[in-house]
Amino acid sequence: GAGVSQSPSNKVTEKGKDVELRCDPISGHTALYWYRQSLGQGLEFLIYFQGNSAPDKSGLPSDRFSAERTGGSVSTLTIQRTQQEDSAVYLCASSLAAGTGELFFGEGSRLTVL
Amino acid sequence: GQQLNQSPQSMFIQEGEDVSMNCTSSSIFNTWLWYKQEPGEGPVLLIALYKAGELTSNGRLTAQFGITRKDSFLNISASIPSDVGIYFCAGQPGGSNYKLTFGKGTLLTVNP
Repeated sequence: GAGVSQSPSNKVTEKGKDVELRCDPISGHTALYWYRQSLGQGLEFLIYFQGNSAPDKSGLPSDRFSAERTGGSVSTLTIQRTQQEDSAVYLCASSLAAGTGELFFGEGSRLTVL
Repeated sequence: GQQLNQSPQSMFIQEGEDVSMNCTSSSIFNTWLWYKQEPGEGPVLLIALYKAGELTSNGRLTAQFGITRKDSFLNISASIPSDVGIYFCAGQPGGSNYKLTFGKGTLLTVNP
């Protein structure tokens, strides 16, 4: 498709399990962002990747969270030993160039930790 | 870290009315943007502003980049039911810092 694709769209897991969320950005977009949106809340920045530069990980809430972007394209956000407070919608966005701030968002992955 | 204060948190208006919402920051941004989010979807970009003092329109939407670089507002004229959604402001410091910080959003409800 032409837009940002995220999978899974919904994930229910048990506390303590690891989860992986995948983001397929728009082809040719050099920048990729991850945000977290809790129910009724704004968008909390997690991490961004820009080309071959080192990612800005300043928003990752703990060392249980990590993300990688392979080959400058697909990105995976991994949450280890999930906690109930990790329940949220995880949004991925890509941009032709990070300096514009013009992000194209996917529909998100809704994570529920029981 | 940088924080954006967006107000109001919510608005309930009648169709045809004009709407105004704003965002202030404790620090300077070189780019201000406004996004709209509808239920079950990711935010969609409405307007991007790149120069202090800039006033930009997109149909019934008008946004301004504050002269101090610490604020922005969005106006919607003659609201219609499909304007319903959550509106987010966002700011980017610029230079080599591409982190995009979002406000907490303004929930707009339009009564037909």
